[in-house]
Amino acid sequence: DTEVTQTPKHLVMGMTNKKSLKCEQHMGHRAMYWYKQKAKKPPELMFVYSYEKLSINESVPSRFSPECPNSSLLNLHLHALQPEDSALYLCASSLGLAGQSEQFFGPGTRLTVL
Amino acid sequence: GEDVEQSLFLSVREGDSSVINCTYTDSSSTYLYWYKQEPGAGLQLLTYIFSNMDMKQDQRLTVLLNKKDKHLSLRIADTQTGDSAIYFCAETHTNAGKSTFGDGTTLTVKP
Repeated sequence: DTEVTQTPKHLVMGMTNKKSLKCEQHMGHRAMYWYKQKAKKPPELMFVYSYEKLSINESVPSRFSPECPNSSLLNLHLHALQPEDSALYLCASSLGLAGQSEQFFGPGTRLTVL
Repeated sequence: GEDVEQSLFLSVREGDSSVINCTYTDSSSTYLYWYKQEPGAGLQLLTYIFSNMDMKQDQRLTVLLNKKDKHLSLRIADTQTGDSAIYFCAETHTNAGKSTFGDGTTLTVKP
């Protein structure tokens, strides 16, 4: 298994909803990442987990809450989002931290906040 | 801080070679990546090069790295319409834990 999977592919939610994005990899990678990407822009890093511990939080608002239940899974819990949070959310993983090994991306979850 | 720059657009004819350029500022970069993103899709890792290499070839793709000038290029030979996409250059350095991306080059291949 050499891929990163993400569910759901598409998500539409209201500003009062609570939802979660899921990411999974079975490549034995120990670093996992969440990125946010707006249309025609590069991905922006949100969070990095290394060995299931949060190692980087790029000053992301608390309405985004990451969770790494085990080395294969990464969740992003969403609560009280704003319309400007609508974007493609990409998960990635790498064997070691980026800079030590190549980073693989999932297909993304396209999120629309109404 | 780190900065990665790319030209925004490139248009070529089918069958020609495409060359996408990227410059970066972080001299401690260790990995330099090229990703392809088609409309509505995630990022596909095309190829990468270690900073101690000058060139890497993989089928139709050739990556050239000029470390002195901090310049990276991706050459696509015999460009096809299926190569039309946004191409992102990205760099990382040891233990940074994150990649810095350029703004992406939109490649349009005309038949």
